[in-house]
Amino acid sequence: EVQLVESGGGLVQPGSSLKVSCVASGFTFSSYVMHWFRQAPENGIEWLAYINTDSSSTHYAETVKGRFTIPRDNAKNTVDMQLSSLRSEDTAMYFCARERNYGGYFDYWGQGVMVTVSS
Amino acid sequence: DIVLTQSPALAVSLGQRATISCRASQSVSISRYNLMHWYQQKPGQQPKLLIYRASNLASGIPARFSGSGSGTDFTLTINPVQADDIATYYCQQSRTFGGGTKLELK
Repeated sequence: EVQLVESGGGLVQPGSSLKVSCVASGFTFSSYVMHWFRQAPENGIEWLAYINTDSSSTHYAETVKGRFTIPRDNAKNTVDMQLSSLRSEDTAMYFCARERNYGGYFDYWGQGVMVTVSS
Repeated sequence: DIVLTQSPALAVSLGQRATISCRASQSVSISRYNLMHWYQQKPGQQPKLLIYRASNLASGIPARFSGSGSGTDFTLTINPVQADDIATYYCQQSRTFGGGTKLELK
């Protein structure tokens, strides 16, 4: 069974850093492109970042470029999101998701982890 | 960037048909592929893939869900609507999602 499990959320102060992690199981992790998304309370879904299978290519949304990074470790089946210079508008539920065979759609999602940025 | 427009809400009676639309600001069809996908999200849960490439049912999704469309106009149909279908539905193309349509009971 394919599973994606996020961890690492919490309450942090503006300007601080945080790492959220996603552990994958039930499939050959190294064969899939991975993405991170977020959803602010009562809002829609925002794409944040992408990493290809061997970490040679990453892309970021303009809203987080330069502040967030998306490393992955194929040996540990993990993809992280390093969040820095956090702002109140980064408060959201963060989801990792698997892209289906470069098909442009996301067939499995984690349950999400909440990040709250507040003083 | 492509903009995907959905109506914010749709009220429907149980057992009836629900038609949820999504309009793209430019064509999302390439050759024979219609690159629009649909997701269901219930409160407190992650999005769930329903339909990929406009009309293909994802694994484990009931046949009462169907999708159609091409170019800039796409439709997700639920027929008949069941109580478990009350959720918010999102269309998606590449890295862009529509604003979501909240399906409500009439």
